Amino acid sequence: AQSVTQLGSHVSVSEGALVLLRCNYSSSVPPYLFWYVQYPNQGLQLLLKYTSAATLVKGINGFEAEFKKSETSFHLTKPSAHMSDAAEYFCAVMVSGGYQKVTFGTGTKLQVIP
Amino acid sequence: SQTIHQWPATLVQPVGSPLSLECTVEGTSNPNLYWYRQAAGRGLQLLFYSVGIGQISSEVPQNLSASRPQDRQFILSSKKLLLSDSGFYLCAWSLGGSEAFFGQGTRLTVV
Repeated sequence: AQSVTQLGSHVSVSEGALVLLRCNYSSSVPPYLFWYVQYPNQGLQLLLKYTSAATLVKGINGFEAEFKKSETSFHLTKPSAHMSDAAEYFCAVMVSGGYQKVTFGTGTKLQVIP
Repeated sequence: SQTIHQWPATLVQPVGSPLSLECTVEGTSNPNLYWYRQAAGRGLQLLFYSVGIGQISSEVPQNLSASRPQDRQFILSSKKLLLSDSGFYLCAWSLGGSEAFFGQGTRLTVV
């Protein structure tokens, strides 16, 4: 079975500081991994995805994530936080083959302090 | 290009009343379809997924059901709503090996 664990349901950073949101996955086969962002009362928007190509993935809004198989991690980073980054972030895993079910973590709310 | 429509955006229903939420996808064929519920502090819970017409898999036992009468239509239903059914419901679609694309969600409040 596949799963993801997001460490920290709430993260606070100062504007201009590094953003680091943690995600660890569990999968018996090579997974696809995703990060989504959700603003209040809206659907989820894809930030970036890992599909077994380059291990360092760049996404929208200056975010990037690195797939580390040895650590089973896919942490999301951004060098300098902006006020507009305040939102909830979800890590997700999908195992190809069969029904390609997408499983989400419980989310991390990012607060950016001016 | 592909789009997903989910409606209504908000809904207030009394306990014991029926429910029908509809989701349609345009611009693609034979998508995988999903219904998620998002409750405060509990992240996204997968309720149902479907890989084809009439093929529904349920992830958790509950008061809800899903149907897929057409390739790009996915319906979430209940015969009698409970207070615990309140939440933010999200429909999504994906193709093999791709990310999931989400609708804008339905905020359901059962009173």
